[in-house]
Amino acid sequence: DADVTQTPRNRITKTGKRIMLECSQTKGHDRMYWYRQDPGLGLRLIYYSFDVKDINKGEISDGYSVSRQAQAKFSLSLESAIPNQTALYFCATSETGQGAGGNTIYFGEGSWLTVV
Amino acid sequence: QKEVEQNSGPLSVPEGAIASLNCTYSDRGSQSFFWYRQYSGKSPELIMSIYSNGDKEDGRFTAQLNKASQYVSLLIRDSQPSDSATYLCAVRDAGNNRKLIWGLGTSLAVNP
Repeated sequence: DADVTQTPRNRITKTGKRIMLECSQTKGHDRMYWYRQDPGLGLRLIYYSFDVKDINKGEISDGYSVSRQAQAKFSLSLESAIPNQTALYFCATSETGQGAGGNTIYFGEGSWLTVV
Repeated sequence: QKEVEQNSGPLSVPEGAIASLNCTYSDRGSQSFFWYRQYSGKSPELIMSIYSNGDKEDGRFTAQLNKASQYVSLLIRDSQPSDSATYLCAVRDAGNNRKLIWGLGTSLAVNP
């Protein structure tokens, strides 16, 4: 089983619908992240959380919200999906600290979201 | 705007050759640098990290860092078709060390 699990892996939704992407991890890491990846735009950080009570906006948080339900769970919501939110979404984790462990990011398998 | 720049490629090399991937960054204060590999449709995975000027070797991979010139490179020796992927360069943001600044990646094709 993957250490960082995302559900759903694929979803097609309609414009205006609310959708939640869920992420759970068994790595025991405190830090969790949500990224989106688009061709030509690379990986962009949406939100990140360094512990259950710490939530921070990334580069492109508009139109998204997150919830850190537990150390192991971090969900991303699109309150009213729009077509330009069609992308590949990655959840990721890393250890605490500035050493090598704190710098390695472990990605989930990704969630393909299409908004029509 | 802090940037990490990579040639998008595709970089095409024959099997057994050395593949050289380059990355430049704008944030002079950056101290931590990473190379991730991403196969098509898959998630990125870390292959090398480097923090000090000079070379760091790990098997067929060598990362090279030159902070004065603000570039970091990745050399892949004895390239294999299985090395065909997109290679992402990431740099820790010196102003907010909680974040990484990502390049767009270089696509590498190793031809048998």
